[in-house]
Amino acid sequence: GAVVSQHPSWVICKSGTSVKIECRSLDFQATTMFWYRQFPKQSLMLMATSNEGSKATYEQGVEKDKFLINHASLTLSTLTVTSAHPEDSSFYICSARTGQNTEAFFGQGTRLTVV
Amino acid sequence: GNSVTQMEGPVTLSEEAFLTINCTYTATGYPSLFWYVQYPGEGLQLLLKATKADDKGSNKGFEATYRKETTSFHLEKGSVQVSDSAVYFCALRVTGGFKTIFGAGTRLFVKA
Repeated sequence: GAVVSQHPSWVICKSGTSVKIECRSLDFQATTMFWYRQFPKQSLMLMATSNEGSKATYEQGVEKDKFLINHASLTLSTLTVTSAHPEDSSFYICSARTGQNTEAFFGQGTRLTVV
Repeated sequence: GNSVTQMEGPVTLSEEAFLTINCTYTATGYPSLFWYVQYPGEGLQLLLKATKADDKGSNKGFEATYRKETTSFHLEKGSVQVSDSAVYFCALRVTGGFKTIFGAGTRLFVKA
């Protein structure tokens, strides 16, 4: 299957700093990418959907200014957690699809710890 | 709304035991149903899927049948192996929709 790579796999940052997470589709062009957040022992919660070249669509309750998403090319989307706080500590996972009814491929996730 | 409910874990089994992980769903419209697996330190991988009622998805010895009458998509395997230890997610996507809705995940431990 297609490969989606996330970087970094884990990151520790100080409270108040910003962290950028990258999601790359390595061998296909992803018209749509999704960002999820997973709390311990809980389900994946969709944060936002991004289409290449347009603004991301955020789910209700997700702060746009806090979680900045950029999908500048068909192979790269980035999630920037701005002014991170300990409550932002979580596991973030991206997925990518080539079209509306195609399979979604997932990255390996990024564990963010804010201290 | 659309939602997925799956049995809480962890599930601990001995090697060669029979596995069932229950999954039920609520959906508007006609969803496609999926099982994803997440091995330690890795991303989610699609394990199997079914797109319409009575379809059976199967892969690597795992099976699940789309039961519209009971709104269920239970995952089964006749004989588990230690290498099957992972977290399993049941999920749905409404036809024509972009979003995939996930269950909470069920962690499986298989002992040798």
